[in-house]
Amino acid sequence: SYVLTQPPSVSVAPGKTASVTCGGDNIGTKSVHWYQQKPGQAPDLVVYDNRDRPSGIPERFSGSNSGETATLTISRVEVGDEADYYCQVWDFSSDRWVFGGGTKLTVL
Amino acid sequence: QVQLVESGGGVVKPGGSLRLSCAASGFPFSDYYISWIRQAPGKGLEWISFISSSGVYTKYSDSVQGRFTIARDNTKNSLYLQMNSLTAADTAVYFCVREASTRQLGMDVWGQGTTVTVSS
Repeated sequence: SYVLTQPPSVSVAPGKTASVTCGGDNIGTKSVHWYQQKPGQAPDLVVYDNRDRPSGIPERFSGSNSGETATLTISRVEVGDEADYYCQVWDFSSDRWVFGGGTKLTVL
Repeated sequence: QVQLVESGGGVVKPGGSLRLSCAASGFPFSDYYISWIRQAPGKGLEWISFISSSGVYTKYSDSVQGRFTIARDNTKNSLYLQMNSLTAADTAVYFCVREASTRQLGMDVWGQGTTVTVSS
């Protein structure tokens, strides 16, 4: 089955740029979605189809995907961005959704 | 507004059964695929099942295949998850989630979740 690998944690200072990676076999050929989950809340979609943002999501959130790694980039990080971030793809070979293990973003 | 509301969670003994429900509103329910996703305490998100818009096609993760059954009633704008042979590993918050109009658009509407605890 398809596996997505995320770092367990990323730390960043306020105002700086955070990058959360998501590794997978030839992931550059897939459509990657990113979700933000704050404590006690349901996840929210923040990036879909590698780089597009749903309405209401700040431009500070961006995505890229190439080769073996997809990346969620958060610019000018704010304290309110502190959350768990999950990547997701549709695995055509198994006809199933797959999530990465999640990355806890800490704003120092 | 567009909304999914889960219910039916609770405490159940190992080996027991539970049926979760999800009520949809604010959008044409019968046009969308819906998934169940769960999150064990302190753990990540795990997709467990989806059902097609008509209800004809379903799919399950290996972890629940043969024990859980997903179903929907489009006349009632409702989704269900019948869970049998429950074990401690099924303890989690269960989310009902709308898949956007194509899989390239991700999952755009999430319920608030309902908690299932399997314990003797």
